[in-house]
Amino acid sequence: DAGITQSPRYKITETGRQVTLMCHQTWSHSYMFWYRQDLGHGLRLIYYSAAADITDKGEVPDGYVVSRSKTENFPLTLESATRSQTSVYFCASTARGGYNEQFFGPGTRLTVL
Amino acid sequence: GQNIDQPTEMTATEGAIVQINCTYQTSGFNGLFWYQQHAGEAPTFLSYNVLDGLEEKGRFSSFLSRSKGYSYLLLKELQMKDSASYLCAVPNDYKLSFGAGTTVTVRA
Repeated sequence: DAGITQSPRYKITETGRQVTLMCHQTWSHSYMFWYRQDLGHGLRLIYYSAAADITDKGEVPDGYVVSRSKTENFPLTLESATRSQTSVYFCASTARGGYNEQFFGPGTRLTVL
Repeated sequence: GQNIDQPTEMTATEGAIVQINCTYQTSGFNGLFWYQQHAGEAPTFLSYNVLDGLEEKGRFSSFLSRSKGYSYLLLKELQMKDSASYLCAVPNDYKLSFGAGTTVTVRA
């Protein structure tokens, strides 16, 4: 499918488990981003990537790991899930960084029990 | 860093006009974005202002004053489908910092 996709769309897991959220885009955009969205906080940046093999921390990176071996994929891993990581996670991409609109995936709703 | 403020909620009647304000403090300014987000969906781009003044796109307009650190999104002829959250965002290098969003409820 064209565009930006995320999987799974819904996930329920238990505290302490490792979870990986997938993000795939077909535009060959250089920049990709992971956000979490919680009531009262809006969208907060977890990690971002300017190109394959280049990643950097955002505002709330603790407890998360990312990789970007291919331009089109940007997986986000919760190494040991905690209840505070219950959230909606959005992946986004853009061609040329912050001065261009970002395109968002449909989101993954994660619940950690 | 960025400090972005917008009202939490607004309610308006179908056919009316609503203005959503956004104030920001940033170390370097490179424009301001507005996104729309319907409940349960992803944010979608509405506008990007980099120069002072008003930009109009159909029923939606966005205004920017760089000297005042202020922007607003104006929604005219409100329709029920305009019920959504509206997020302002400021670029920082190639990242975006978002405000917490304003939830607009349109009533019949």
